[in-house]
Amino acid sequence: QKEVEQNSGPLSVPEGAIASLNCTYSDRGSQSFFWYRQYSGKSPELIMSIYSNGDKEDGRFTAQLNRASQYVSLLIRDSQPSDSATYLCAVFWDTGRRALTFGSGTRLQVQP
Amino acid sequence: NAGVMQNPRHLVRRRGQEARLRCSPMKGHSHVYWYRQLPEEGLKFMVYLQKENIIDESGMPKERFSAEFPKEGPSILRIQQVVRGDSAAYFCASSPRSTLTGELFFGEGSRLTVL
Repeated sequence: QKEVEQNSGPLSVPEGAIASLNCTYSDRGSQSFFWYRQYSGKSPELIMSIYSNGDKEDGRFTAQLNRASQYVSLLIRDSQPSDSATYLCAVFWDTGRRALTFGSGTRLQVQP
Repeated sequence: NAGVMQNPRHLVRRRGQEARLRCSPMKGHSHVYWYRQLPEEGLKFMVYLQKENIIDESGMPKERFSAEFPKEGPSILRIQQVVRGDSAAYFCASSPRSTLTGELFFGEGSRLTVL
């Protein structure tokens, strides 16, 4: 089992719709979770972090964490063509590796 | 206000040659991470360094790969005797502190092509 798993996509949604991106992770103790966005040919940039069970909202983005089910998701409301990118889920475990572990990413396409 | 600077942005090497990739972290950042990204794949952790110390190299192949972050100057990722499978984008990221809040600042990457 991979440590951090994402569906590679592409996930295609029409402009204005809600895009839902999901990520599952291995249970290895205390974790912190992050969503990065990477445009084609560019470097990743952090868009959301979440540490506690439940929802965290920031503008059009909502991160959801469910520790019991070991998944974290990212919702993008009112999706725009400019949201078309690859979204990388990342986990930091307090034990073991001293760095973020990334999933393989989900490619999102927002159709105008 | 310079971000994380990586060079070269593009590097072409023939099999068996050496590749040296450089990374200057953001000002005030003393923690550097190297990741490798193959086409259509996520970021694979390679090594985490602080000034003059390798903290975690669990993701770096034991042979041909080495990394350093000297007291003065940039961090360097060195790949000896490159093979075609080394072709990838190599991203460097920096952080101001060791306890990760997830805020890694990435450079634009160095894209290595091995012929």
